[in-house]
Amino acid sequence: DTAVSQTPKYLVTQMGNDKSIKCEQNLGHDTMYWYKQDSKKFLKIMFSYNNKELIINETVPNRFSPKSPDKAHLNLHINSLELGDSAVYFCASSRDLWTASYEQYFGPGTRLTVT
Amino acid sequence: AQSVAQPEDQVNVAEGNPLTVKCTYSVSGNPYLFWYVQYPNRGLQFLLKYITGDNLVKGSYGFEAEFNKSQTSFHLKKPSALVSDSALYFCAVRDISGNTGKLIFGQGTTLQVKP
Repeated sequence: DTAVSQTPKYLVTQMGNDKSIKCEQNLGHDTMYWYKQDSKKFLKIMFSYNNKELIINETVPNRFSPKSPDKAHLNLHINSLELGDSAVYFCASSRDLWTASYEQYFGPGTRLTVT
Repeated sequence: AQSVAQPEDQVNVAEGNPLTVKCTYSVSGNPYLFWYVQYPNRGLQFLLKYITGDNLVKGSYGFEAEFNKSQTSFHLKKPSALVSDSALYFCAVRDISGNTGKLIFGQGTTLQVKP
């Protein structure tokens, strides 16, 4: 069974559209994250959620709206897509928010291409 | 502010030779350090972590890392490289400045192992 899964794997869309990426983890973790990997492979945190509660929004435009219906799911909705949103988006989870020694488990990524 | 640096964009090694991928860090307080590997078109896989204790940490796939507090380094090593080790490697530090859970990543190092 895949520990952290994301759908879709690839997403190609036009500027101005709205799209969603879904993430699910079956590890029983309390904390989930969204990371963005840009074209230079640089990884940066976007959001973290703990037990459905938003913890950080790392200066992400408000066109990006995460939603966590339960602690096993964290979805990312993006409005009015722009060319600069093209990237690979990774979902991740960890056992909890406070234990610094816990590693994070990453999903396979969603490659978003905005044309 | 906490940060991680990987000074080499690419490391080239012949199969069977030892490899080292370098990482230096800057943190206030105790560092919680991680290595991840990203194979092409795949998510990040956890390799190993340093929390406390022995300076030599062993991880998955025969990798190990050496923590050096005086040099603020956490270099990834393997005694004998395999062609299948070719991938993108990320060093990361856990941000403990606030309870956000986020990992701060280095810029990544591409490891190329040639037969």
